Amino acid sequence: GENVGLHLPTLSVQEGDNSIINCAYSNSASDYFIWYKQESGKGPQFIIDIRSNMDKRQGQRVTVLLNKTVKHLSLQIAATQPGDSAVYFCAEMSNTGKLIFGQGTTLQVKP
Amino acid sequence: NAGVMQNPRHLVRRRGQEARLRCSPMKGHSHVYWYRQLPEEGLKFMVYLQKENIIDESGMPKERFSAEFPKEGPSILRIQQVVRGDSAAYFCASSQVGRISYEQYFGPGTRLTVT
Repeated sequence: GENVGLHLPTLSVQEGDNSIINCAYSNSASDYFIWYKQESGKGPQFIIDIRSNMDKRQGQRVTVLLNKTVKHLSLQIAATQPGDSAVYFCAEMSNTGKLIFGQGTTLQVKP
Repeated sequence: NAGVMQNPRHLVRRRGQEARLRCSPMKGHSHVYWYRQLPEEGLKFMVYLQKENIIDESGMPKERFSAEFPKEGPSILRIQQVVRGDSAAYFCASSQVGRISYEQYFGPGTRLTVT
């Protein structure tokens, strides 16, 4: 069935530390995954994506890791800043193009 | 270079009334997706439309909900005879060419409150 979920509902980190947000998915046939950031009162904002033929992809201060063996995704944010405080969702794309979202992890950055 | 636009941003309806939510995709985008987000939850897919066609409506409730994306004008999500359980944030996303381009750009959402 469709199940993209996150391990922890809330993550609290100190400003300047690295953050790691995890996600598990159940459809081993999925070939495209995305991380979104959602600030209060706003729509999801694309952060980074990865295709299943890759294990790792890096952006500016963010890295996504994909472990297909255990069907696990993670988002790493380097030098976390107060502006990173938000809810983070992983999503997988079905073969019809729809996105299947996890429940979300709230990232709180302490100054 | 306007992004995805949704209106209204906030909508209050009494039980039994109709709600109409509008979505204007990004310029050049012909694919629209609607998602619903209940408080403290993730987004749930509702429907995927191209111009004048419904491609996937597997997430739409069987009754009271409908969606369209006409040749001209915005995409409309219509909820008839609203109930309190319809209170949620409704997000629209658009993409240039279906699955091929992958990335979906989201609008700011319409927050529906049913009293």
